[in-house]
Amino acid sequence: ELKVEQNPLFLSMQEGKNYTIYCNYSTTSDRLYWYRQDPGKSLESLFVLLSNGAVKQEGRLMASLDTKARLSTLHITAAVHDLSATYFCAFFYSGNTPLVFGKGTRLSVIA
Amino acid sequence: NAGVMQNPRHLVRRRGQEARLRCSPMKGHSHVYWYRQLPEEGLKFMVYLQKENIIDESGMPKERFSAEFPKEGPSILRIQQVVRGDSAAYFCASSPPGGRFNEQFFGPGTRLTVL
Repeated sequence: ELKVEQNPLFLSMQEGKNYTIYCNYSTTSDRLYWYRQDPGKSLESLFVLLSNGAVKQEGRLMASLDTKARLSTLHITAAVHDLSATYFCAFFYSGNTPLVFGKGTRLSVIA
Repeated sequence: NAGVMQNPRHLVRRRGQEARLRCSPMKGHSHVYWYRQLPEEGLKFMVYLQKENIIDESGMPKERFSAEFPKEGPSILRIQQVVRGDSAAYFCASSPPGGRFNEQFFGPGTRLTVL
């Protein structure tokens, strides 16, 4: 079964703190995406990770991919309120299957 | 360069009515995907289309749901005889030619409420 498990599903963190969101996927994939969704809005693409060991950073967010462990992480550094949103990871199985999404991590950054 | 456009943004239907959701892909994109998002859930794939062809409909319910992407005009997701369980956000995404592994860009979604 193709599936993606994200944890935690809910995360409340204080401003200025660091935290990591984990994304485990069930089968071989060399293409992993991270999206952000604000309430009532669409999905905004954050990162595309294409190979083992890939690391990308944008502002306070950094994403990495370990294809051997089937694990991607999204690390948040010195969180600010504007990062409050739901974050999804998604992957393509190397075949003819569609994009498979995790359930999302709802992040709330509080003062 | 306009992004993926969907309309309507909000749609209210009574049980038994039909719902038609429209999606115009980004300029130059020929691949369209429909996803459904239930409350507190991730997106679930429904169907993948190219112009005049359904490529993969493995995520579509067997009954009441259909999709098309005609040569001219937007892609349409049609839900006949809607039931309360159809209430969800429906997102369309598009990607350029070159195969399904190209990055997908999402539209704003249509939020369907069935009374």
